[in-house]
Amino acid sequence: DTGVSQNPRHKITKRGQNVTFRCDPISEHNRLYWYRQTLGQGPEFLTYFQNEAQLEKSRLLSDRFSAERPKGSFSTLEIQRTEQGDSAMYLCASSFGRTGGEKLFFGSGTQLSVL
Amino acid sequence: GENVEQHPSTLSVQEGDSAVIKCTYSDSASNYFPWYKQELGKRPQLIIDIRSNVGEKKDQRIAVTLNKTAKHFSLHITETQPEDSAVYFCAAPAYSGAGSYQLTFGKGTKLSVIP
Repeated sequence: DTGVSQNPRHKITKRGQNVTFRCDPISEHNRLYWYRQTLGQGPEFLTYFQNEAQLEKSRLLSDRFSAERPKGSFSTLEIQRTEQGDSAMYLCASSFGRTGGEKLFFGSGTQLSVL
Repeated sequence: GENVEQHPSTLSVQEGDSAVIKCTYSDSASNYFPWYKQELGKRPQLIIDIRSNVGEKKDQRIAVTLNKTAKHFSLHITETQPEDSAVYFCAAPAYSGAGSYQLTFGKGTKLSVIP
């Protein structure tokens, strides 16, 4: 499978713990997005990278959240001091483009459960 | 930022009937409107998209129409089949400074096709 890969698929953690998720985009894609999806809702934008530069962060992203994309390849999303409200599916997507309006390819997501 | 409203939230149709899902958006600068299908437990996948320079686009049994004046776009599925059962999301782009671009998704429509 040469699509977008996310690890782990599932993560169960206790409140207050830190968690880190990884996303490997399609290799030639320059754009990488993180979205969060809760049951019955559409994906909510969290943050976006063009190559290694983080160009935008949603107001949803508190200071407990940080994302990196070193060397413009894979990306990591870290949540510090997790809260029960952080429980959700975290989706990564990648695309190739410069001006927007290109197809997003989503990964299968990481399902986070905070107990 | 962009605000996307999607209706209905649930839709049940008999196999062979048509299904229509509607979305409205707020940002008049938006020029790209994709539709994603998400089957249960799977990743969202693009099924069709339309750019603002056309009013309608068809791909076999699915079509999308766009009314830029009214800021709404619709997904039409004809001759529905059980495998069309899924959650469908519309989306519209939000642009901000420094070339940043991200999609804002609607809350989704759960389509059930009854055999």
